[in-house]
Amino acid sequence: AQKITQTQPGMFVQEKEAVTLDCTYDTSDPSYGLFWYKQPSSGEMIFLIYQGSYDQQNATEGRYSLNFQKARKSANLVISASQLGDSAMYFCAMRLPVEYGNKLVFGAGTILRVKS
Amino acid sequence: DTEVTQTPKHLVMGMTNKKSLKCEQHMGHRAMYWYKQKAKKPPELMFVYSYEKLSINESVPSRFSPECPNSSLLNLHLHALQPEDSALYLCASSQTLAGGYIQYFGAGTRLSVL
Repeated sequence: AQKITQTQPGMFVQEKEAVTLDCTYDTSDPSYGLFWYKQPSSGEMIFLIYQGSYDQQNATEGRYSLNFQKARKSANLVISASQLGDSAMYFCAMRLPVEYGNKLVFGAGTILRVKS
Repeated sequence: DTEVTQTPKHLVMGMTNKKSLKCEQHMGHRAMYWYKQKAKKPPELMFVYSYEKLSINESVPSRFSPECPNSSLLNLHLHALQPEDSALYLCASSQTLAGGYIQYFGAGTRLSVL
């Protein structure tokens, strides 16, 4: 069964420092996609970064990078130079195959608080 | 532009009311989704539309009725809801159902059922 696990309910980071949010996944399908979304208290789910299972290089988007370790089935999000506006809930998600409607399965989320 | 617009932002309704949630995107996406999110929980998929046809219904109670009148618009009709249906309802869209396409979400409608 496809599953996403985020083991950190909450994290604190000092402003301007880097932080890693953990995500492990479980799937038997060789083709899958992994996503990270940010959800501020306003509610909007903001797409951050995507990694395909066949991608050879780790994805990067500005201050966000995804540390993809396929053998370990982990897809950790690294945020560099944290800003106060990074305080939010962060969800790791895995896309299921097309026959499942491109469904996203989400982890439980990690609340990140950036301290000044 | 990756904007998905949801209206209203907030909705309070009684258990006997009929209301509708609206979702609109102008990115040319042909797949649209409804998710339900309870407080402090991850979103859960409710419905998937592909090319204006219902593709997936995740065993959602019939008091929730989706509609996709055209490729840009997705509605969720609500009738005889229960207090436990109070949640954040998120709409999303993607290019198609094919793998690799990003699902972009709207800001959601916060629904309270009294």
